[in-house]
Amino acid sequence: QQPVQSPQAVILREGEDAVINCSSSKALYSVHWYRQKHGEAPVFLMILLKGGEQKGHDKISASFNEKKQQSSLYLTASQLSYSGTYFCGTEMETSYDKVIFGPGTSLSVIP
Amino acid sequence: DVKVTQSSRYLVKRTGEKVFLECVQDMDHENMFWYRQDPGLGLRLIYFSYDVKMKEKGDIPEGYSVSREKKERFSLILESASTNQTSMYLCASSLWMFRGPEAFFGQGTRLTVV
Repeated sequence: QQPVQSPQAVILREGEDAVINCSSSKALYSVHWYRQKHGEAPVFLMILLKGGEQKGHDKISASFNEKKQQSSLYLTASQLSYSGTYFCGTEMETSYDKVIFGPGTSLSVIP
Repeated sequence: DVKVTQSSRYLVKRTGEKVFLECVQDMDHENMFWYRQDPGLGLRLIYFSYDVKMKEKGDIPEGYSVSREKKERFSLILESASTNQTSMYLCASSLWMFRGPEAFFGQGTRLTVV
């Protein structure tokens, strides 16, 4: 049931773009994205609901393809502050209110 | 700011000990959660609670129990600690279940069982 995230890790130079993908084999109601910096608590980025629109958060945006049960997180013109581990959390239609997180994608932005 | 506070950042316990991990939130959230975080496995849900004295099992409840006697406090109990319970434990709270607003996480408790 755990969603699959790809890539596992990515290294970027400042200003480059990145895409992190999250997919599930189950029908999803929502997808949540969090970022965790080293030694800190995960912090909410955004939630995408079934039937909802693509979301944006500064230069970070996300989409949700309901047909494919996939979500993608887009990081544009990456900054050093974007470094961290990104987790997607998926809520299935048949499992109300229970969010299952993926294994995470480690993103490192270097000067 | 919402604050979720976990009582300890680091704990070292012996095998077989009963261990209590405490979590307190100050935003009057109905829902509280305990996750376990291990490298390569992400965040795995142990238990969650949507009201005082109410609890639901998550994906990996074996070897754990929880207690929620007051709305602001959610305790995770390891009845008899084992070395495979060495991990980072994260508590979270949210205003209502995850279909609503975001969850707020505590700083985590790194538990080592020796």
